[in-house]
Amino acid sequence: AQTIHQWPVAEIKAVGSPLSLGCTIKGKSSPNLYWYWQATGGTLQQLFYSITVGQVESVVQLNLSASRPKDDQFILSTEKLLLSHSGFYLCAWSLREVFFGKGTRLTVV
Amino acid sequence: GDKVKQSPSALSLQEGTNSALRCNFSIAATTVQWFLQNPRGSLMNLFYLVPGTKENGRLKSAFDSKESYSTLHIRDAQLEDSGTYFCAAEASSGSWQLIFGSGTQLTVMP
Repeated sequence: AQTIHQWPVAEIKAVGSPLSLGCTIKGKSSPNLYWYWQATGGTLQQLFYSITVGQVESVVQLNLSASRPKDDQFILSTEKLLLSHSGFYLCAWSLREVFFGKGTRLTVV
Repeated sequence: GDKVKQSPSALSLQEGTNSALRCNFSIAATTVQWFLQNPRGSLMNLFYLVPGTKENGRLKSAFDSKESYSTLHIRDAQLEDSGTYFCAAEASSGSWQLIFGSGTQLTVMP
């Protein structure tokens, strides 16, 4: 069975500090991968998607970047966090239907 | 404007009653998904729809691509149905985007 694992579960980081969030998908070969962001009480906004290793497309510009170094791994990062980066980050995979990980709650202080 | 308009934004139901949620699309949606988000943030997949209808227990969903809307019907609401329901549409442009509605916060009361 396919599983999706996100890490860390939660982070409290200072403004201006770097960030790296990770996601691995097991049990599926060459899935499409996605990063979503959700403000508290808000809807989900797609940030990035990747169809294949090494290729990532940006959907919105939020001073974040993403990379797919392996088929089953998706990384979200930034060198300098802003207060506006606070929220809930969700990784997802699909072949057709989209399935989400349990998310990382980020608080920037 | 909103590409996926979801209504109502909030809803309170007595246990055992029925209700319907709706999403209207201003994009040419090819598929629709419905999710239930729990207070911890986890998203549960409810339905994946191409145009047509699906039923699963007390839930039933329909997607009409010509009229650009989707509905989610909840029958005999239970306390565990509480949470935030989201619809999401995949645009036909092939842009690999799943566009979410703003959600419906459902509270089922005993």
